Amino acid sequence: GDSVTQMEGPVTLSEEAFLTINCTYTATGYPSLFWYVQYPGEGLQLLLKATKADDKGSNKGFEATYRKETTSFHLEKGSVQVSDSAVYFCALNSGGSNYKLTFGKGTLLTVNP
Amino acid sequence: NAGVTQTPKFQVLKTGQSMTLQCAQDMNHNSMYWYRQDPGMGLRLIYYSASEGTTDKGEVPNGYNVSRLNKREFSLRLESAAPSQTSVYFCASSSQGWDNEKLFFGSGTQLSVL
Repeated sequence: GDSVTQMEGPVTLSEEAFLTINCTYTATGYPSLFWYVQYPGEGLQLLLKATKADDKGSNKGFEATYRKETTSFHLEKGSVQVSDSAVYFCALNSGGSNYKLTFGKGTLLTVNP
Repeated sequence: NAGVTQTPKFQVLKTGQSMTLQCAQDMNHNSMYWYRQDPGMGLRLIYYSASEGTTDKGEVPNGYNVSRLNKREFSLRLESAAPSQTSVYFCASSSQGWDNEKLFFGSGTQLSVL
């Protein structure tokens, strides 16, 4: 079945540091890939997505590239801010008639001033 | 624009009690979903409704029932709450199912079953 594996957290960085959160997946067919972010006390929000191999999703300075050869979709940001502190979820949708978005376990990021 | 609204935000139940979690969206979305979020488990789909009048089981449906009351509203019912149902519950909606469409989430209901 489909699965998503994210790097274990928590991740603690200083402001302006470089961020990478690793995500790898197992899926049938050609899934769409997503990163969702959950700020404290809120629901999840879509951060970025990519729908086919070699696509790069980007938003708010975050980027992730759909790598079919390594089945990965790592999240990166060049310079994090305190306001980026949140839980980040990698997810995939393998499509078809089965309504099922598969989430990773989430990675807690804390950015200190 | 309210988006997805869930009530209540917090609830404490005793084992065996029943309750209904309410969810409403004002974006005219066709599809609605209920997830639970547990530490170290990510989000798991409980039930979903692809369109008004239809509901289907997700990954962890046992102990829950749902009702798609109309296009706007999708409720989740716990008939006899158990401690294993202590969790944070999220309702979500989307305009046309999964493919290439994003989910909009409510802010969650934190449920404790004692």
